[in-house]
Parts: sequence; structure tokens; C-alpha cells
Amino acid sequence: EIVLTQSPGTLSLSPGERATLSCRASQSVSSSYLAWYQHKPGQAPRLLIYGASSRATGIPDRFSGSGSGTDFTLTISRLEPEDFAVYYCQQYGSSPPYTFGQGTKLEIK
Amino acid sequence: QVQLVESGGGLVKPGGSLRLSCAASGFTFSDYYMSWIRQAPGKGLECVSYISTSGTTIHYADSVKGRFTISRDNAKNSLYLQMNNLRAEDTAVYYCARVGGRWELEHWGQGTLVTVSS
Repeated sequence: EIVLTQSPGTLSLSPGERATLSCRASQSVSSSYLAWYQHKPGQAPRLLIYGASSRATGIPDRFSGSGSGTDFTLTISRLEPEDFAVYYCQQYGSSPPYTFGQGTKLEIK
Repeated sequence: QVQLVESGGGLVKPGGSLRLSCAASGFTFSDYYMSWIRQAPGKGLECVSYISTSGTTIHYADSVKGRFTISRDNAKNSLYLQMNNLRAEDTAVYYCARVGGRWELEHWGQGTLVTVSS
């Protein structure tokens, strides 16, 4: 089973700053099947990035994804107030087909 | 626009059953794999099950195998999750989600809360 470990667990930053969130896999993951989601309390999770680096429809270009193999990164270039949320990485593979990281909480400093 | 609306959650005793529904609109439902994802209180996300366009390919998480059954009715644009022999650890918000071409979960519903407690 592939385990995804996200770091840091909590990231405290101010609006306007740059956020760098990490997702490390216990084994190599196909870049095609690595996604990132934003989740706010009481709301549906929102797809941000798929295929490791492709932005989903309607996602602002301040969000970018990169990485390959076992190390992936979500970068938010300049934080807006609405960006403070929990972020999850997710991979599709085999046995089990879907695994999620434990999440990074991005909070206002 | 794509809409997914879950229903059927509620309070149930351990050992009981519930059937969740997800009504889809704004896209051709029969063209997409669909999935149920859950989030237990204070925990992360877990894929419970997914189903192919015709229902011939189905996966379950080990934690629900033998107790939960996913199904779909393409004529009614609806996805279902029959949950039997419920346990306290099944308490969670359950989301339905549309699966994209790279297995990303590209659209999600707002979720329905299932609470298993005596």
C-alpha cells in the first residue's frame, strides 16, 4: 500500500505570502495520477491540481503543482484570504486504488 | 453546471442499515465512473468505493467490504451506497464524487452525515 505523508501538518502564513506544501509517497507514484484538493469546513472538497501539475477548471494560476516519483509539491504563490483551508494530496494506484495524505492545515498567522 | 446532491444520512444504531443516494445533474452521468468518499470526525479522507460507468467494475475499501454495496441507475442519474451492519467507526460525512480521466475526483457533493451510535 502506498502511504502519502504530507508536511507540514500545519502551516501558519499571512496573506500575500508564498505557501509550499509537500506530499511524499512511500513508493513511486505515477505523476498522471497525483491530485491535490482544497477542503474548507462544511464545504465540498475542491479539486485544484490533477496529473501532478495540471490546474483544474476555474482554479487561479497562483496554485501550481510539481514533482515526480515520490516527492510532490503544491505551491500557492501569493496567499489570498480565501486560501486558508486544509489541503490533501491523493494518488490513484493499486491495492488500494485511492489513497489520501493526512492533510496540511493552512492557517492565518 | 455539474451538481451532485447526497441524501439518506442520519442516526442509526450499531448493526443497522442506511441507503445513501447521490443525484447527479449537469453532465452525462452514464459517461463517468463515480465514487463514495468519507471523512470521519477529525480524520482525513477515505475512498469507500467506486463504480464504473456500467457497474461492471467495482472496488471497496477493506474496511467496508462485505457490508457496503455501491450501485448506480444511469436512467435516473443516481448513485447509491447500501450500508449494512454499520459500526461506530462508519460515522462520517459521506461524499459522492465524479471520477475524471486521470482518476482525480473532479466534482464532489456537499456530503451527508452518517452517525452510528446507540
